[in-house]
Amino acid sequence: DIQMTQSPSSLSASVGDRVTITCRASQGISNYLAWYQQKPGKVPKLLIFAASTLQSGVPSRFSGSGSGTDFTLTISSLQPEDVATYYCQKYNSGPRTFGQGTKVEIK
Amino acid sequence: EVQLVQSGAEVKKPGESLKISCKGSGYSFTSYWIGWVRQMPGKGLEWMGMIYPGDSETRYSPSFQGQVTISADKSISTVYLQWSSLKASDTAMYYCARGWYFDLWGRGTLVTVSS
Repeated sequence: DIQMTQSPSSLSASVGDRVTITCRASQGISNYLAWYQQKPGKVPKLLIFAASTLQSGVPSRFSGSGSGTDFTLTISSLQPEDVATYYCQKYNSGPRTFGQGTKVEIK
Repeated sequence: EVQLVQSGAEVKKPGESLKISCKGSGYSFTSYWIGWVRQMPGKGLEWMGMIYPGDSETRYSPSFQGQVTISADKSISTVYLQWSSLKASDTAMYYCARGWYFDLWGRGTLVTVSS
């Protein structure tokens, strides 16, 4: 089965910073990748699908890129409300595996 | 309103059985896969499996195959996740979610297994 590896596992950045999270698939998955945000104590929320398509209602400071095995989620200007854990997920075929998560905090 | 409504929190003893539910409304229930996701306390998201309510085709994660059963009753727009013999390690929040990528989530069902 394809494994999904995120890095870093956690990060601390200042308000206004550009933040990048990486997700790597152990085999190519084309662009069948989604990103989710889970705030503490809340239900996960879809941010991006098809690697780079922003879900309706998601702020434009979030963006995604990549194809094949390497993907990134970028927050162009970190805001206090972005404190959360972010997960990638493959959905091409087989198990819809999640990455292990990246916890984002404010410095 | 488009939503998935999950059944309430459960407290069970090891060895007991359990079936939790997820009811869809506001959209064509039989046209979307529904998946189940486990989140153990303080841990990440784990994909358990999914079902297509239109024909009940089901797929499981190798990690959960044989440990749980996913089923659906399309007549009442409801998907189920069940255990025949719970363990303490099944203590977790369980989410249902819609689609190949999950654009709609239930609020979760907290399952606590303790003697």
